[in-house]
Amino acid sequence: KNQVEQSPQSLIILEGKNCTLQCNYTVSPFSNLRWYKQDTGRGPVSLTIMTFSENTKSNGRYTATLDADTKQSSLHITASQLSDSASYICVVFLLGDMRFGAGTRLTVKP
Amino acid sequence: DGGITQSPKYLFRKEGQNVTLSCEQNLNHDAMYWYRQDPGQGLRLIYYSQIVNDFQKGDIAEGYSVSREKKESFPLTVTSAQKNPTAFYLCASQTGADTQYFGPGTRLTVL
Repeated sequence: KNQVEQSPQSLIILEGKNCTLQCNYTVSPFSNLRWYKQDTGRGPVSLTIMTFSENTKSNGRYTATLDADTKQSSLHITASQLSDSASYICVVFLLGDMRFGAGTRLTVKP
Repeated sequence: DGGITQSPKYLFRKEGQNVTLSCEQNLNHDAMYWYRQDPGQGLRLIYYSQIVNDFQKGDIAEGYSVSREKKESFPLTVTSAQKNPTAFYLCASQTGADTQYFGPGTRLTVL
């Protein structure tokens, strides 16, 4: 069983709409949590990084939240654009290790 | 892609062949990693290297080999012992602060 679970597996939204992606993890000891965006056939690119003490981190239209008590994180995308179509991967960095979620495939349609 | 290059972008392998995937970084990072990505699954760690001339097996090292003769280079060889090598391969490098940068990837297909 993957120790970093992402939901939904895939999502289709209309351009301009907002969406929220979820990441639940069970691993520890926690160091930090990252959200990556991966375009098809490309390497992942870091969007946000949050440490244990941070609850929210924004990067433009992307806002990540973290609840270290419940071990849940979310990535909220505001006013989606066609270029947001990609896979979004949640990665939990432990002390000396890391665990990857399987990703959420987001498709933004005009 | 953060100063990490991978080549080739696409690679085709015949049954029984060994192939080598290149990964180069100019970020002066000590640590480098190789991951395999399959549809619907998270990235899985193949090998990693924390320092030149040293490397460690990851979760799925069987059928793969690596070398780290230079800080900038971490090539991955997919051997004929890897029974299901068709996948997307990602190389990454990392600073001491857990900041990991990924290359653009190589898609390997077995013919």
